[in-house]
Amino acid sequence: QQQVKQSPQSLIVQKGGISIINCAYENTAFDYFPWYQQFPGKGPALLIAIRPDVSEKKEGRFTISFNKSAKQFSLHIMDSQPGDSATYFCAASIDYKFYFGSGTKLNVKP
Amino acid sequence: NAGVMQNPRHLVRRRGQEARLRCSPMKGHSHVYWYRQLPEEGLKFMVYLQKENIIDESGMPKERFSAEFPKEGPSILRIQQVVRGDSAAYFCASSRGQGQETQYFGPGTRLLVL
Repeated sequence: QQQVKQSPQSLIVQKGGISIINCAYENTAFDYFPWYQQFPGKGPALLIAIRPDVSEKKEGRFTISFNKSAKQFSLHIMDSQPGDSATYFCAASIDYKFYFGSGTKLNVKP
Repeated sequence: NAGVMQNPRHLVRRRGQEARLRCSPMKGHSHVYWYRQLPEEGLKFMVYLQKENIIDESGMPKERFSAEFPKEGPSILRIQQVVRGDSAAYFCASSRGQGQETQYFGPGTRLLVL
């Protein structure tokens, strides 16, 4: 049973556009929701994270929107750049145990 | 300040051989986690270790897989009698304490079983 469902699987965005990636979860015990960025051949790197008592968190061009009642959260990348081209994973965790989505491959066209 | 180190980065094994994957956590980190990533999938938790102790191995297959984190030296993930289905990227993460925000990932070991 997949704990965290992520969509879309792939995404193509023009430079300067907004990239939006969505995730949904079932387990209401999750209390921490990070997003990771992974470049080919590298390990995932923490990008931004949110806790369920907050509906939005913004760091630079990256924003997480969190809807607790719908059990959904999303990553918005504003002014997308070619350097943002990577695979993005959402995750949900209880304590040390992380459950990852299946990933979204983002391609930002110049 | 070196990050999490994993070696080898790539490992090729024939069916039935053993694979040993090593992970050196970040300096000052005593908690290690192993994850497996199959092609086109997210990372899946395998095992959580502290120095000399396995805390949670609920994500690790019961047979052929084992992990250790000795008092001295790196953490080792060992896969005996590998099969083609073991081909995947194996990532190690470390943290200073037991927590959520502080897991830092290594570059991974890509295992290919022929």
